[in-house]
Amino acid sequence: GAVVSQHPSWVICKSGTSVKIECRSLDFQATTMFWYRQFPKQSLMLMATSNEGSKATYEQGVEKDKFLINHASLTLSTLTVTSAHPEDSSFYICSARVTGEVKLFFGSGTQLSVL
Amino acid sequence: KQEVTQIPAALSVPEGENLVLNCSFTDSAIYNLQWFRQDPGKGLTSLLLIQSSQREQTSGRLNASLDKSSGRSTLYIAASQPGDSATYLCAVRGAGGTSYGKLTFGQGTILTVHP
Repeated sequence: GAVVSQHPSWVICKSGTSVKIECRSLDFQATTMFWYRQFPKQSLMLMATSNEGSKATYEQGVEKDKFLINHASLTLSTLTVTSAHPEDSSFYICSARVTGEVKLFFGSGTQLSVL
Repeated sequence: KQEVTQIPAALSVPEGENLVLNCSFTDSAIYNLQWFRQDPGKGLTSLLLIQSSQREQTSGRLNASLDKSSGRSTLYIAASQPGDSATYLCAVRGAGGTSYGKLTFGQGTILTVHP
């Protein structure tokens, strides 16, 4: 099956710094990617939908200026957490959809810890 | 390496039936197990989250059980409805070895409930 690579798996950073998370579709083109986050003991929540070549669509309550999403190519989407604070500590996961198909493939997630 | 298998791959039932979806995983060192629903063309919806110390979780007509020692989980759907038609995914979050912190998904069960 299709593979989605997410990097890094773990990141620890100081408060106020920015962190970039990459999501790559390794053997297929993905016009649409989804970004989710999961706080401890809570369910996974959709943050935004990323479309190649256009602005991302953010879910209600998600700050677009804080969580910058760039989907500049058909194989790469990035999520940048700007000026991270401890409350941003969470598990972030991306998924990608094969162009022309409905099935989604998922990255293995990134655990962000902000000190 | 964690592997997650879901059986059956597809299931078609008449409305009103009770049904069971199965999920098995090879590495019992997990933080939690989650069941998700994926509707065509849309992102992921989290249904139930079971912590590794828990045996089951219930939400409405859904009940999920977890037997960590045997590496199995079941999702029970009572009195199925056409609106339940979707792809159901289970995912485990690793707590040891090379799967530490990573989310591993099964390939899903495609459920069709016909009127």
